[in-house]
Amino acid sequence: AQKITQTQPGMFVQEKEAVTLDCTYDTSDPSYGLFWYKQPSSGEMIFLIYQGSYDQQNATEGRYSLNFQKARKSANLVISASQLGDSAMYFCAMREGLSGGSNYKLTFGKGTLLTVNP
Amino acid sequence: GAVVSQHPSWVICKSGTSVKIECRSLDFQATTMFWYRQFPKKSLMLMATSNEGSKATYEQGVEKDKFLINHASLTLSTLTVTSAHPEDSSFYICSARDRLSTDTQYFGPGTRLTVL
Repeated sequence: AQKITQTQPGMFVQEKEAVTLDCTYDTSDPSYGLFWYKQPSSGEMIFLIYQGSYDQQNATEGRYSLNFQKARKSANLVISASQLGDSAMYFCAMREGLSGGSNYKLTFGKGTLLTVNP
Repeated sequence: GAVVSQHPSWVICKSGTSVKIECRSLDFQATTMFWYRQFPKKSLMLMATSNEGSKATYEQGVEKDKFLINHASLTLSTLTVTSAHPEDSSFYICSARDRLSTDTQYFGPGTRLTVL
């Protein structure tokens, strides 16, 4: 079974609108971390936002917020007020185990290609 | 976020030659770095984990003698593609683990390797 599932190969959004990118995960470890990265056409992977499994509140970073629903094992990324520069591939990733622990590998989803239309 | 540099950003080489790619964490010490390979329109594939002061840990199916990794200091890891062949052409991207924060991996800008 896939550990990280991104069901949307591609998404379109109108400039200035909000968009939600889906991510579900599968783990039996009670301690884990969830990450979202943005990869523009230039190729660099840009870290956007982090959510720890024990965090009580949803993570937010500027226009990015993470809709963390633990019982559903989902960690959707919400981008508010989309900009043309948001057009990129977005990857959801998970690290199983405690932060700073011995298990530090990331498992990536297949990604969602977001296109922001003017 | 933390800054990771990677050099070169692109390289073209002849088949049979070796290519070295450097990955540096610029503003934090990284005892652990990672090397990934990415094919077009695909997700990242972890090749190996680079540990400062010890041997790298390779993922299943990755040839150790083909992809040599050296983690010489707390801020530098290198990947050497030895005797490169056209099938080694790919996008190689490194990351450095910032263990002190949320254990986030920060990525370099990547290196596009083309083997003729």
